[in-house]
Amino acid sequence: DVKVTQSSRYLVKRTGEKVFLECVQDMDHENMFWYRQDPGLGLRLIYFSYDVKMKEKGDIPEGYSVSREKKERFSLILESASTNQTSMYLCASSFQVAGQGARGLRDGYTFGSGTRLTVV
Amino acid sequence: GNSVTQMEGPVTLSEEAFLTINCTYTATGYPSLFWYVQYPGEGLQLLLKATKADDKGSNKGFEATYRKETTSFHLEKGSVQVSDSAVYFCALSSTGANSKLTFGKGITLSVRP
Repeated sequence: DVKVTQSSRYLVKRTGEKVFLECVQDMDHENMFWYRQDPGLGLRLIYFSYDVKMKEKGDIPEGYSVSREKKERFSLILESASTNQTSMYLCASSFQVAGQGARGLRDGYTFGSGTRLTVV
Repeated sequence: GNSVTQMEGPVTLSEEAFLTINCTYTATGYPSLFWYVQYPGEGLQLLLKATKADDKGSNKGFEATYRKETTSFHLEKGSVQVSDSAVYFCALSSTGANSKLTFGKGITLSVRP
C-alpha cells in the first residue's frame, strides 16, 4: 500500500521556535507539495518540489522554507513559529507521465494524514 | 488563472437522501478534474476523477461527469450513508509539464441517521 507519511499527527510549539515538519513517500514520486488547511480558506499551497534539491514557492511561502535532499523526503521548516501559523499541514506527492500535460497527472495527489500544529 | 468554485456549505442530509455537490471551474486548455474526500482527522483521499470531456468518474456510489460546455463537475450520490460524512473537495489539474492541482474550498457534508 503506497503511502505518504507525516512524522507527527499533533505538534505543539512555542512562538519563535524553529519547527520541522517531515514528510516521506515510498512511491518514487518526483513531485511533492506542502499545503496548509484552515477553516473557510480551503487548501493553500506553501511550497512544492519537482525534483531533488529543487523547490518553488506556492501561494503563501512567507515564513516558511523547505528542504529536499532526497527524492522521498520533503521537509517544511517554520523559521520562527508564530501563532498565525497554527494550522493543519498536509503533505502530498504525485507522479506525472511525461508529455501528457494535465492528463499526465493520472492519479492526482496522494496525501499524508496531516500534522495539526499549534503555536502557543 | 485556474480556479474552482464549490457551492457554499455545510450540507446536512438524512440517510438515504440524494446528494448533489456543485463544482464549476475556470481553466485554460484541457484540465483533468478530481473529487477528493477528507474524513475527520485524516488527509485527503482521491474519490474519483475524469480526464476528458464527457468522461464519468465513479467510486463508492459517487459519480461526476466532466461537462466542458458548462465547465462543471458536479458530484452526485443516489443514497447517502452516515459514513459519507466528510469534507469534499473539487480540484483541477493545470496543463504543462508538471501539473499542479487547484482546489476548491471544500464543503462539509453531515449525514444524520
